[in-house]
Amino acid sequence: KQEVTQIPAALSVPEGENLVLNCSFTDSAIYNLQWFRQDPGKGLTSLLLIQSSQREQTSGRLNASLDKSSGRSTLYIAASQPGDSATYLCALGSGTYKYIFGTGTRLKVLA
Amino acid sequence: NAGVTQTPKFQVLKTGQSMTLQCAQDMNHEYMSWYRQDPGMGLRLIHYSVGAGITDQGEVPNGYNVSRSTTEDFPLRLLSAAPSQTSVYFCASSRLTSGIRTDTQYFGPGTRLTVL
Repeated sequence: KQEVTQIPAALSVPEGENLVLNCSFTDSAIYNLQWFRQDPGKGLTSLLLIQSSQREQTSGRLNASLDKSSGRSTLYIAASQPGDSATYLCALGSGTYKYIFGTGTRLKVLA
Repeated sequence: NAGVTQTPKFQVLKTGQSMTLQCAQDMNHEYMSWYRQDPGMGLRLIHYSVGAGITDQGEVPNGYNVSRSTTEDFPLRLLSAAPSQTSVYFCASSRLTSGIRTDTQYFGPGTRLTVL
């Protein structure tokens, strides 16, 4: 059974710092991986989608990488801002039509 | 485009009552799904659909029914509400690539349900 782990569960950094969020999974038979952002009391907003054949995707200050052989994806946030404070979730497309979510990393960027 | 919409935003039920959570999307997506989000457990898939008339179970389907009569709408029915169904419910939609794989998922704002 696919298991998805996000460590740390919470992270607090000063503004301007570059940071890396981690997502680990146990089964490398995935067809894509998606990173989301969730603000308190809100729905999920898609940040980046990486197909299984890709190694990374970039959008603005965000870069997501995927290494299936090691069962790991990272989300890199450059020059963090207080507006980046949110919970970040990864989700694996693993098995037909089904996504498995991690429990998220709660990020706080201090001004 | 409104994207994915959900109603109601909040709901309080008594044990044993039934209700329907509404979900609609205007992006002509084939794939729609329902998740519940509970503290410490992440999002778990309840049911999903890959087109009108086609639905299937996810990880936690017990106590919930779905149907998909149109591409746009995917309601979730609670048959007899229980306190264990207190949660935040999210609907999501996605196009299918090559007819078999989901692409970027778009989420609604959620329904916060409390069962007393």
